Amino acid sequence: GENVEQHPSTLSVQEGDSAVIKCTYSDSASNYFPWYKQELGKGPQLIIDIRSNVGEKKDQRIAVTLNKTAKHFSLHITETQPEDSAVYFCAASKGSGFQKLVFGTGTRLLVSP
Amino acid sequence: EAQVTQNPRYLITVTGKKLTVTCSQNMNHEYMSWYRQDPGLGLRQIYYSMNVEVTDKGDVPEGYKVSRKEKRNFPLILESPSPNQTSLYFCASSSRGGAGYTFGSGTRLTVV
Repeated sequence: GENVEQHPSTLSVQEGDSAVIKCTYSDSASNYFPWYKQELGKGPQLIIDIRSNVGEKKDQRIAVTLNKTAKHFSLHITETQPEDSAVYFCAASKGSGFQKLVFGTGTRLLVSP
Repeated sequence: EAQVTQNPRYLITVTGKKLTVTCSQNMNHEYMSWYRQDPGLGLRQIYYSMNVEVTDKGDVPEGYKVSRKEKRNFPLILESPSPNQTSLYFCASSSRGGAGYTFGSGTRLTVV
């Protein structure tokens, strides 16, 4: 089955710096790659996703890149702010419905003022 | 407000005592899923459902049951809970085509 590896497990940056979180997946048939943000005491919330027919997607300060050949995808956060502090999860899925979603182990991002 | 509602939020129970965690969504989503979250392991899928009466195993289904008799509800049943099922559980739903799962707020279960 699919296996998703995520690095680093923790990441500390200064406010205003950029943060990059990387994930690799094992199943070349995977075609949907969402990123979730989990704040303390809450459920994960979808922040951005990308499908395999696209190489990059941006939404304000957040961007995701996908390299299908290397089977890895990354989350980029620019101009980080303290409210970006949270745990971030990458995930991968395949098929038409994407209902069977496999998650990475998470990255705890700490943005210091 | 569009949401996924889980109950209870917190539950402490004893080994072997059957329990049910309820999950309901008001978005008319076809897909629903249960995940457990454990430190260092991320989120692991227990079961998922593609529609009423259609369910399938995720990666860690042992010790759990689910049912999908109505589109909005997807309860998680632990018929004989054991301490290794102590975890944080999340229910999630999504529309056909995978716009991304919407997660509930979680149920923290402790089995002693």
